[in-house]
Amino acid sequence: AQSVAQPEDQVNVAEGNPLTVKCTYSVSGNPYLFWYVQYPNRGLQFLLKYITGDNLVKGSYGFEAEFNKSQTSFHLKKPSALVSDSALYFCAVRASGGYQKVTFGTGTKLQVIP
Amino acid sequence: NAGVTQTPKFRILKIGQSMTLQCTQDMNHNYMYWYRQDPGMGLKLIYYSVGAGITDKGEVPNGYNVSRSTTEDFPLRLELAAPSQTSVYFCASSYEVRMNTEAFFGQGTRLTVV
Repeated sequence: AQSVAQPEDQVNVAEGNPLTVKCTYSVSGNPYLFWYVQYPNRGLQFLLKYITGDNLVKGSYGFEAEFNKSQTSFHLKKPSALVSDSALYFCAVRASGGYQKVTFGTGTKLQVIP
Repeated sequence: NAGVTQTPKFRILKIGQSMTLQCTQDMNHNYMYWYRQDPGMGLKLIYYSVGAGITDKGEVPNGYNVSRSTTEDFPLRLELAAPSQTSVYFCASSYEVRMNTEAFFGQGTRLTVV
C-alpha cells in the first residue's frame, strides 16, 4: 500500500531564513508527488507537483521541491520564509498511469516567526 | 470561475439525523472526490467519481453515500449521523487528462454530531 510520511508535526523558522518541510513516500512504480497548503478555515491549495522530468520542481509563492528517487523523498523548500507562509502543508503521492488514488500525509504546520 | 463550491460551511446534527453535503464545480472536471479531515490524521478519501454516473468507495466509506448524476455535482449523504462523523469535509475535483492531475478543493464543511 502506498504511504506518505511527514515526520515533523511542526516546523518553526525565522522570517528570512530558508525553510524545509520534509516528506518521504512509498508507492509501487513511478510516483506522482504533490504539495498542498492549507490556510486556517480554508480548503487545500495546490502548490506544486512532480510528474516526470527535472527533479527540481518550482511552484507557487516561491516554493520548490526536490524529487529524490533513491531516498524516496520530496522535500518542500523556500530560500527565504515569509510570515505569510505560516500554514499547514500536506504532501501527497499517487502512482502513475491512469487513475490512481491519492494518499495524503498528516500535514506539517509551518510557523514563521517575525 | 467559482471553482469548487461546498454548502453548508457549518452544520450541527443530532445523532441519527441525516443530511446532504452539496458540492458543485464549474471547471468541467471529470474526477470528483470527498475527503474528511480529522486533526493529526491528514485527509481520508470517502468516495470518488471518475465521471457522471460512476462512483466508487475510498478508504472510509461506511456511513456515507454519494451520487453523480451530472459532471458538476457530487453530493455526499449521511444517513444516520454518528459522533464519529464529526469532522471537516472537503470536496475536490481534478481533470485527469495528460498530467493535469492536481486537485482543486472547496472551502470545507465543518460538521459536528452531538
